[in-house]
This record gives sequence, structure tokens and C-alpha cells, in this order.
Amino acid sequence: DIQMSQSPSSLSASVGDRVTITCRTSESVRGFLNWYQQKPGKAPKLLIYGASTLQSGVPSSFSGGGSATDFTLTISSVQPEDFATYYCQQSYSMPYTFGPGAKLEIK
Amino acid sequence: QLQLQESGPGLVKPSETLSLTCTVSGGSININNYYWGWIRQPPGKGLEWIGSVYYSGSTYYNPSLKSRVTIFVDTSNNRFSLYLSSATAADTAVYYCGSLRGGSYNEVDYWGQGTLVTVSS
Repeated sequence: DIQMSQSPSSLSASVGDRVTITCRTSESVRGFLNWYQQKPGKAPKLLIYGASTLQSGVPSSFSGGGSATDFTLTISSVQPEDFATYYCQQSYSMPYTFGPGAKLEIK
Repeated sequence: QLQLQESGPGLVKPSETLSLTCTVSGGSININNYYWGWIRQPPGKGLEWIGSVYYSGSTYYNPSLKSRVTIFVDTSNNRFSLYLSSATAADTAVYYCGSLRGGSYNEVDYWGQGTLVTVSS
């Protein structure tokens, strides 16, 4: 299985801050990297797929980047509704493994 | 747009089989390049990929669960099902079904709301 790591595992930010979460895979996933947002008691929501393509309806304040084994999720200006847990997922090789998550909290 | 809804018992006894169904609405399960998957999340923990099925019936199972997992697709009723045998407390989790865009990057674009299954006597 492809192993996933995310950093930081938790972070605090104020409204309007710029934040970046990093995801690393144990081997190259050739751009097959997706990001999801999950709020308590809710299903995950797709934000970005293919490392950098914004899912329809997702605010342009979210952006993704990276390639091979190193990827980033950036929120350019954090809004109150963005406080949640963020997961990366590789969809290159079965089983499609998820990162452990990064919890964004209010400072 | 697609809507997915999980259904099934919320309580399963140890050693019994956990069974869940995901009903798809707003579109046909016979979509080319769409796969249908199950993901679970133990309370307070991260997400685990269980497996997926194509409308043709072909399946993939996570090797960590492969000996206990079966996923079926029922195209006539637009739904797919998960069976997990010999359940233990470690199988207690919220179970999600989802649709995977196989013609893209295999991302899960639609998710069910999730259903909590507790394994306990």
C-alpha cells in the first residue's frame, strides 16, 4: 500500500490568514492526489482532484499543487466555514489510501 | 446530480455479518467510467478504503479486509451492497458509500451521509 502523511496534523489560524497543508506519499502517485474537507458529523466533501483541479462549486480561495510525492493544499484567506479537518487521498494505486488528516482550528 | 444513501442495521453482534446497502438516485449506476465504493471511519479516527465495484460486477477489495469483504452491484435497483463477515468491535465505524469518477482521477465526487454501525453484543 502507498503510505500517506500530512503535516501539520493540526493548525490554528485566524479569519483571513493564509494556510498551507502538506501531503506526502511513500511513492509517486503521478498527480492522482485528491483533497477532501470534513466537518464534524458530516461526510467528506471533495475539494480538489488531480492535485490541482478545483471541484465545481468550491471557492477559489482553495488551491492545490505539487507532483510525484509532495503535494499542498492552500487556503488563501481562511473563512469561518473553513474550520474543519482536511484529508488527502491517493487514487493512483489500490487501495486508495487517505492521509491521517489535518485539523484546522480557530486561533 | 447523484445522491447516495446508506441503509442497514446500526447494531451487529460480534462474529455476525455486517451488511449495508447504498441506493443511488439522480442517475444510473450503469455509468461508464464510474465506480461505486465503500469507505469507513472509526469514531474519532481517519478514513479507510474498503473496496469498490463497477456496474459490470468487477470488484476490488482492500487486502487488509479481503478475506471478509464482498461487494455486490444490483443494477436493476440502482444500488450496491457491502457484506463484511466475522465482525468484531474493530469494525465499529461510520460507513460511507461514494461514487468514483473513473474517467478522471478516481476521486470520490459524491458521498452518502454515512451510517454508524456498532459491533457489540
